[in-house]
Amino acid sequence: GENVEQHPSTLSVQEGDSAVIKCTYSDSASNYFPWYKQELGKGPQLIIDIRSNVGEKKDQRIAVTLNKTAKHFSLHITETQPEDSAVYFCAERLDGTYKYIFGTGTRLKVLA
Amino acid sequence: DTGVSQDPRHKITKRGQNVTFRCDPISEHNRLYWYRQTLGQGPEFLTYFQNEAQLEKSRLLSDRFSAERPKGSFSTLEIQRTEQGDSAMYLCASSAGGGNTIYFGEGSWLTVV
Repeated sequence: GENVEQHPSTLSVQEGDSAVIKCTYSDSASNYFPWYKQELGKGPQLIIDIRSNVGEKKDQRIAVTLNKTAKHFSLHITETQPEDSAVYFCAERLDGTYKYIFGTGTRLKVLA
Repeated sequence: DTGVSQDPRHKITKRGQNVTFRCDPISEHNRLYWYRQTLGQGPEFLTYFQNEAQLEKSRLLSDRFSAERPKGSFSTLEIQRTEQGDSAMYLCASSAGGGNTIYFGEGSWLTVV
């Protein structure tokens, strides 16, 4: 089926703490997994992505890990800042197509 | 590179009216996507084009929805006989040939009253 489960739906952390958002996908043949950040009233913006041949990718304070066996992938944000507050979406690209399926989103609130 | 451009940004229409949204993708991006997003939900796939060919369309998409990309550049999404359930943000995105990354526009908000 075409489904991406995302947890938690809301997450509050203190500034400077880490935040972790997890997604589970259904299509074992999916090979590309992006993460998007969406601020109020704006379109989603790509923040990091990972291909299925890689287990982990880092970009400064943001990292993504992929467990193909379990069909899980996670977003890790370290040293959170108030400007990290937004809604985050995971997605998978279905194999053999350019169709992307998105999770239901996580509203992250970083408390100063 | 000016990004994906969508017009209008906001549209209020009466139930039963037709509406049309336009999307201009990033220059030279050959794939163009339409998504719909309602409050508290992730973007929901509607359709995508490669150049002027519409390669896939969501089975959830009513016959009242139609999208075109006649010259392989800009695209239009038309909703006929709008219903209150059509109220949502309609997102357009584009990607380059051989690339995975899709870049979204700022969206077009539709309110059906």
